Amino acid sequence: DGGITQSPKYLFRKEGQNVTLSCEQNLNHDAMYWYRQDPGQGLRLIYYSQIVNDFQKGDIAEGYSVSREKKESFPLTVTSAQKNPTAFYLCASSIGRDLSGGQPQHFGDGTRLSIL
Amino acid sequence: KNQVEQSPQSLIILEGKNCTLQCNYTVSPFSNLRWYKQDTGRGPVSLTIMTFSENTKSNGRYTATLDADTKQSSLHITASQLSDSASYICVVSAKGGSYIPTFGRGTSLIVHP
Repeated sequence: DGGITQSPKYLFRKEGQNVTLSCEQNLNHDAMYWYRQDPGQGLRLIYYSQIVNDFQKGDIAEGYSVSREKKESFPLTVTSAQKNPTAFYLCASSIGRDLSGGQPQHFGDGTRLSIL
Repeated sequence: KNQVEQSPQSLIILEGKNCTLQCNYTVSPFSNLRWYKQDTGRGPVSLTIMTFSENTKSNGRYTATLDADTKQSSLHITASQLSDSASYICVVSAKGGSYIPTFGRGTSLIVHP
C-alpha cells in the first residue's frame, strides 16, 4: 500500500547533537512538508518542497535543515542551534505543486523527539 | 494575517451523543477548507473538503457545513463512538499556488462510554 513512512518513531537527542528524521513516500507526490506539533498548539510549518532539489522555509525554519535529493525522500535535520527541539514532528506529502489545498496532505505517523 | 480559530478547545461527550465543532477563519482569498481527524500519536487524516460553492457535505456520521459569507465552518458528529475520540483540525487554504494552508489548533474530543 502507498503511504508515508517516518522513522524512527521515538528519538532522543543529547545536548549539542544533530539528529536526522527520515521521511519516505511512495505516493509519487511532488510536494512534501515538515511540521512541528507542540501540546495545545496547531501544526507549524518548518520547511516544504514542491520539487526535487528545491525547498522553502516555513514559519519556524531556524535550527532546522532539509534536503530533497530524491522525489520520495525529504529528511529533516534538527541541529544543535534548535534550543527547544522537544516536539512531535510530522511529515506530509501532496499531489502536484499547487499548495492551495485542492488535494489533501497525506501525513506520516510522526517522530517524537526528546532531549536527554 | 490569515488565521483559523477553532472552538471549543476541548470537548467531552457520552457515547451515542451528537456534537458540533466550530471553525472561524480570516483567510483570503478563500480557496477551500478541509477538516482532518488526528488520533493520538498518529498523523492527521482528511475527513472532508469544502469549497466556496458548497454549503454541506457528509462523510458517514460526519457532516461539515460552510458559510463563506460569515467565514465559518462546523463539523457535526452524529451518534458518537469511542473511536471518534481524537483531535479535529480545521485547515483553510487561500487561492494561489504558493500559499501555504493555515492550520487551526484543533478541538480535542473525548467520547466516554
